[in-house]
Amino acid sequence: QVQLQESGPGLVKPSQTLSLTCTVSGVSISSGSYFWTWIRQPAGKGLEWIGHVYTSGSTFYNPSLKSRVTTSVDTSKNQFSLKLSSVTAADTAVYYCARGLRDTAMVTVYMDVWGNGTTVTVSS
Amino acid sequence: SYELTQPPSVSVSPGQTARITCSGDALPQKYAYWYQQKSGQAPVLVIYEDTKRPSGIPERFSGSSSGTMATLTISGAQVEDEGDYYCYSTDSSSNHGFGGGTTLTVL
Repeated sequence: QVQLQESGPGLVKPSQTLSLTCTVSGVSISSGSYFWTWIRQPAGKGLEWIGHVYTSGSTFYNPSLKSRVTTSVDTSKNQFSLKLSSVTAADTAVYYCARGLRDTAMVTVYMDVWGNGTTVTVSS
Repeated sequence: SYELTQPPSVSVSPGQTARITCSGDALPQKYAYWYQQKSGQAPVLVIYEDTKRPSGIPERFSGSSSGTMATLTISGAQVEDEGDYYCYSTDSSSNHGFGGGTTLTVL
């Protein structure tokens, strides 16, 4: 049974860097069959795709966040991570990690297993 | 990210058919995906690649796509189906994105 669990500070100061880790169990993160994805959701609002990362290092990022986002994969720990720099109050949200699958057209990466999410508040 | 448009809300009585639409310029060429999110929970995939249903998802959930519009249909909606539904897809530049979400009320 595949499970994902987000972890990281629940409070980040404005202008600092938000750092989150997703620990994966039940599947090897280096299997090569999956992408690893971050999504966020401000309170009372909709879902926002942040980006996908592949074990090779290939990435797809939301253009509106691309200049501030870095993702990476640590195969030794079966974890992947998100860094979002220069945060503001607008970055306050529940952050989800998820497993991504490439569709049969080899175009879209969609998420089939999600973590429970972790709340990050940006405030001084 | 890619912009997809959904109605803010849909309301049906129990046992009726609920239809939630999603429009996007690239949908004629790209698959649509649907996620269900109940209050306080993580989203769950209910339809992938326009029409396919993951294991464990009830048969009353189905999907279709025609032109620039994808549709999620819940045949014989139940109270337990209440929640927010999001479509998801990608554009020609590999920008992925979610629709704004539709709140389904069954009462």
